[in-house]
Amino acid sequence: GAVVSQHPSRVICKSGTSVKIECRSLDFQATTMFWYRQFPKQSLMLMATSNEGSKATYEQGVEKDKFLINHASLTLSTLTVTSAHPEDSSFYICSARDGGTGGFGQPQHFGDGTRLSIL
Amino acid sequence: KQEVTQIPAALSVPEGENLVLNCSFTDSAIYNLQWFRQDPGKGLTSLLLIQSSQREQTSGRLNASLDKSSGRSTLYIAASQPGDSATYLCAVGGTSGNTPLVFGKGTRLSVIA
Repeated sequence: GAVVSQHPSRVICKSGTSVKIECRSLDFQATTMFWYRQFPKQSLMLMATSNEGSKATYEQGVEKDKFLINHASLTLSTLTVTSAHPEDSSFYICSARDGGTGGFGQPQHFGDGTRLSIL
Repeated sequence: KQEVTQIPAALSVPEGENLVLNCSFTDSAIYNLQWFRQDPGKGLTSLLLIQSSQREQTSGRLNASLDKSSGRSTLYIAASQPGDSATYLCAVGGTSGNTPLVFGKGTRLSVIA
């Protein structure tokens, strides 16, 4: 079945570091991918919609200059947290839907997430 | 704006019990509804997907129902096992097809052996 791969699974780094997270659809093409963030004991909140070949759409309150999204191909979207600070520590997870088989009625598939810890 | 609520927030049951998790959503104009399982510190595992035109879906010991008009869904777990312990998330998709999911806060389930 459709699989979404996310890398790395865990990052621990110093404040001020920029961190790149990759999200790949392994056996399908995804023109749209979604990036979510989850704080401890909270639900997933949408951060942005990544669109292949165009600019990402950010949710209200999410800084586009801090969370850079690049969707350069139909199978890869990247999220870069620039100059990360402790308050950016969270669980980041991407998702995509295989719209090529059965259309948008297919389930969304999620990566395994990236746990980011900023010291 | 769509809001998804899950009740209860936490549930502890003895092994073997049948249980029901509840999900409600404010805007009934949904494309589909998906139930996920999340283990601590892990990503999401899709359990069941119900299209807006469907009433229920079943997979093994799991059965999910959807009453779109009343904005409700339930996840029924039969003969619960300790391995079912996890957080269960309900999420709804909007009407325009390839839209992001709106998640509830989840129900944290503990099945005691």
